[in-house]
Amino acid sequence: KAGVTQTPRYLIKTRGQQVTLSCSPISGHRSVSWYQQTPGQGLQFLFEYFSETQRNKGNFPGRFSGRQFSNSRSEMNVSTLELGDSALYLCASSLTGAPTYEQYFGPGTRLTVT
Amino acid sequence: AQTVTQSQPEMSVQEAETVTLSCTYDTSESDYYLFWYKQPPSRQMILVIRQEAYKQQNATENRFSVNFQKAAKSFSLKISDSQLGDAAMYFCAYRSGNYGGSQGNLIFGKGTKLSVKP
Repeated sequence: KAGVTQTPRYLIKTRGQQVTLSCSPISGHRSVSWYQQTPGQGLQFLFEYFSETQRNKGNFPGRFSGRQFSNSRSEMNVSTLELGDSALYLCASSLTGAPTYEQYFGPGTRLTVT
Repeated sequence: AQTVTQSQPEMSVQEAETVTLSCTYDTSESDYYLFWYKQPPSRQMILVIRQEAYKQQNATENRFSVNFQKAAKSFSLKISDSQLGDAAMYFCAYRSGNYGGSQGNLIFGKGTKLSVKP
């Protein structure tokens, strides 16, 4: 089985712009979670999608949004980028999202905001 | 709210030796899961080992084992016969067993960077 894929792997944007990141889960997985990783704050949960519905959301401003498609692929969008949004964005997929099922992580998208 | 603390930002071990990484957590829940994840320099996060809170027996996966002290809320990772490929960031993580709402996600510690000396 192919692993979790994320595109693009690297991205450079300017303050004020918006960005869309994509995540393709492992085939058959219906839950996709997104995490932001920074040196200062570490790994922080953004949101989780299951069957095209946002089921769980972390403590991030409304500039961060996401969606999930019928094939379980997920996108996250960040509008009005700020310098502090520079981070590694990781997505993780699991069968249903229940704690008994392992979360498999993708390689991440490195976003740099200048 | 649950928290996870890793008090060792960096650790170093000689190849073939044993090293223990520390993790403490805080929770009022009785149903939860604990994990150790490994993130090598290539950045792909990999699950190393997991422990269900209701299980008294410590989890073991080949050279990796945990010391789960539920009363003390401690969850350390022991790596035996360390190999060069073990060099990575190691994250301790907590996940509530109460799935749904704001409790279904992983809560990570800040990580421990492990170096392995040849």
